[in-house]
Amino acid sequence: GESVGLHLPTLSVQEGDNSIINCAYSNSASDYFIWYKQESGKGPQFIIDIRSNMDKRQGQRVTVLLNKTVKHLSLQIAATQPGDSAVYFCAEFTYNAGNMLTFGGGTRLMVKP
Amino acid sequence: DAGITQSPRHKVTETGTPVTLRCHQTENHRYMYWYRQDPGHGLRLIHYSYGVKDTDKGEVSDGYSVSRSKTEDFLLTLESATSSQTSVYFCATTQDYSNQPQHFGDGTRLSIL
Repeated sequence: GESVGLHLPTLSVQEGDNSIINCAYSNSASDYFIWYKQESGKGPQFIIDIRSNMDKRQGQRVTVLLNKTVKHLSLQIAATQPGDSAVYFCAEFTYNAGNMLTFGGGTRLMVKP
Repeated sequence: DAGITQSPRHKVTETGTPVTLRCHQTENHRYMYWYRQDPGHGLRLIHYSYGVKDTDKGEVSDGYSVSRSKTEDFLLTLESATSSQTSVYFCATTQDYSNQPQHFGDGTRLSIL
């Protein structure tokens, strides 16, 4: 499949453990944030999103935390499974930045059985 | 997912030839986007559309043109392909760019020899 990044940071976890993937965003005025998962040979898949007026949002087995003070976003995956192995990246939206999403470089998650 | 089909999925062509990539969506989303994804660069916006016949440039638009004659179709054209345009191209759509995530197709791998 396509290589999404030659020098991606990698997080290796044991199956069943919890995973935390971090993202530092650039614009303190960013209003909306999205986490995507990308498997080899596939397009990015939406996982969860959060608006800037929230600091936490939960989905099924995933939680996103937003710390606006330090411009930091994290994705927590509970009970990580082999099917969670993929590249994860965050995206931020800012109204005054051309109404475009800005994507982070990504983190590769490897789940060991 | 947003029913996005990209065609072709793979293409190999020679420098100087014209290339057109197609994105077809079945969700009646207003906004459509073309990105390229390269190792070390993440996703970069080429062009986007905010309605039929309404398009605008993104971050890396040089050498590319787009057209949207119907809501469901967004075409990306490389008028005279160069080796630097070898990449994986993704189409994305959303109904509301500021409140809803973009949903992606599975990409077109384009190699220009």
